[in-house]
Amino acid sequence: DQQVKQNSPSLSVQEGRISILNCDYTNSMFDYFLWYKKYPAEGPTFLISISSIKDKNEDGRFTVFLNKSAKHLSLHIVPSQPGDSAVYFCAASAGNQFYFGTGTSLTVIP
Amino acid sequence: KAGVTQTPRYLIKTRGQQVTLSCSPISGHRSVSWYQQTPGQGLQFLFEYFSETQRNKGNFPGRFSGRQFSNSRSEMNVSTLELGDSALYLCASSLAASGKQDTQYFGPGTRLTVL
Repeated sequence: DQQVKQNSPSLSVQEGRISILNCDYTNSMFDYFLWYKKYPAEGPTFLISISSIKDKNEDGRFTVFLNKSAKHLSLHIVPSQPGDSAVYFCAASAGNQFYFGTGTSLTVIP
Repeated sequence: KAGVTQTPRYLIKTRGQQVTLSCSPISGHRSVSWYQQTPGQGLQFLFEYFSETQRNKGNFPGRFSGRQFSNSRSEMNVSTLELGDSALYLCASSLAASGKQDTQYFGPGTRLTVL
């Protein structure tokens, strides 16, 4: 049973525009959410996180939004750059175990 | 501070063999988790170790096992390899400080190919 879902396997965005990656979850016990970025043949790299007590967290060009009532989180990248092209995974945790989505492959077109 | 290291980076085995993968966590991190990544399947959780004890386990057959040593280093073993075990195996470590929300940091992975 997939508790964290990323329904868009891929996304293409023009350089300079906004990239919006979405993630849905089913377990209301999740209290911490993270986004990771992964390049081919490398391990995922931690990008940004948000606690369930917040609804927004910013770090430079990256902003994560959390809508607890909808059990939905999103990652906004503004402005998008070609180096942002990678697979993005969202993850959620409740305690010690982490649950990952299947990833969204982002391509930023120069 | 050094990141999570995994050895070997690449491995080729044949069906029926067994394999052992190694993971050294970030210094001070006490929790080590293992994941399998295959195309289109995302990261499938294998198990998590904390203080040499398996604390959580995913939905994988008993051929997949692991252990953690007193220095928090961890090994994962897969016995009787099958073609479907070909994947990228990722290790992640975290502080696992009591009462605090945790972030996992990943190693580069071990690419296992079963022929």
